[in-house]
Amino acid sequence: EVQLVESGGGLVQLEGSLRLSCAASGFTFSSYAMSWVRQAPGKGLEWVSAISGSGGSTYYADSVKGRFTISRDNSKNTLFLQMNSLRAEDTALYYCAKDYLHFDWLDNWGQGTLVTVSS
Amino acid sequence: QSVLTQPPSVSGAPGQRVTISCTGSSSNIGAGYDVHWYQQLPGTAPKLLIYGNNNRPSGVPDRFSGSKSGTSASLAITGLQADDEADYYCQSYDSSLTGYVFGTGTKVAVL
Repeated sequence: EVQLVESGGGLVQLEGSLRLSCAASGFTFSSYAMSWVRQAPGKGLEWVSAISGSGGSTYYADSVKGRFTISRDNSKNTLFLQMNSLRAEDTALYYCAKDYLHFDWLDNWGQGTLVTVSS
Repeated sequence: QSVLTQPPSVSGAPGQRVTISCTGSSSNIGAGYDVHWYQQLPGTAPKLLIYGNNNRPSGVPDRFSGSKSGTSASLAITGLQADDEADYYCQSYDSSLTGYVFGTGTKVAVL
């Protein structure tokens, strides 16, 4: 059974930094692209970033480009999102999601970790 | 910021059929990229409902179906049930943005 467990969320000040983690199990982690998707309180889903199975290719939404960095450690089956220069509009529940293969569809989702950016 | 447009809400009585539209453009749905649908029950993570325009993952009832034409797609729910009350999102790939795009989301209410 695929399991994705996010951690690392919390309260952070404006312009601060935070690193999210997603521990994966139940599948061959290195074979699949992974994404981060966020949902602001009461709002819809917004794709944030994706990374290929090898980690050699990364992709970002314009809203986070230059501020967020996605990475993965395939030896530890863990996905990361380093978030710098955080803004109030980054406040959201951040989901880790497994891609079917590579930019196909997101077939498994974690439960999310909440990031709150406060002034 | 959503690139795909959905109606904010749809509603129907138990047993009825409802449809949710998802309108994109020439850089996503119109470019031939597949459309996928997710169901988000209150307080839970999204769950894959339809993939590749009209395919259901194992365990999803055949009351749910999808279609795609031109720059739009649709999700149909037949035999509406109380536990279908949820938010539904379409999703595709956008070549201009080089990433996933989601719809604005539709809340389904069962009257």
